[in-house]
Amino acid sequence: DAGITQSPRHKVTETGTPVTLRCHQTENHRYMYWYRQDPGHGLRLIHYSYGVKDTDKGEVSDGYSVSRSKTEDFLLTLESATSSQTSVYFCAITGTPVSGEQYFGPGTRLTVT
Amino acid sequence: KNQVEQSPQSLIILEGKNCTLQCNYTVSPFSNLRWYKQDTGRGPVSLTIMTFSENTKSNGRYTATLDADTKQSSLHITASQLSDSASYICVVSAEQAGTALIFGKGTTLSVSS
Repeated sequence: DAGITQSPRHKVTETGTPVTLRCHQTENHRYMYWYRQDPGHGLRLIHYSYGVKDTDKGEVSDGYSVSRSKTEDFLLTLESATSSQTSVYFCAITGTPVSGEQYFGPGTRLTVT
Repeated sequence: KNQVEQSPQSLIILEGKNCTLQCNYTVSPFSNLRWYKQDTGRGPVSLTIMTFSENTKSNGRYTATLDADTKQSSLHITASQLSDSASYICVVSAEQAGTALIFGKGTTLSVSS
């Protein structure tokens, strides 16, 4: 998985609790992304980062926040989890966002009960 | 609106047979088109990336074609194997930084013996 790890790999949590997912890379790529994948939908971008402390929203950012304090780590936080946030979350990295290869992590399956 | 449509949604073939998956897109300005393979429970892995000027690109038994005029692409799998059972995702990159990728919903291929 091109030097990308995600943690945890599986998590079950209750509605209203905060949740943080971690993406860690060893490739020193500048760009990092968080996607969610749900049945009947393609991968949808939640947030992305184009450098340390530089982040921006994707198409489905409501209810999510991110932080990137160092190149190798990109955190996704659900401040107050809802059942609609039950999904599989993928982190991805690339050195060149338009033309470059984008590498995906193994995914985190999150269930909100 | 930028969109990527894939067909069929799912496909079942016998081991050893060939198959072709389709992708139509309306993305502007177009940069490149990618095909990813996603095994169950794993992150997507890139098979091919094609720019505007490339008509065909191969990766082993996988051959992708691109017709930029009609905005269509296909992925041809030759002599299918059981390990080809996966979801195949067509992704188009727009010429803009950061949020560059538009994902199709994927075609689920099942190869049976």
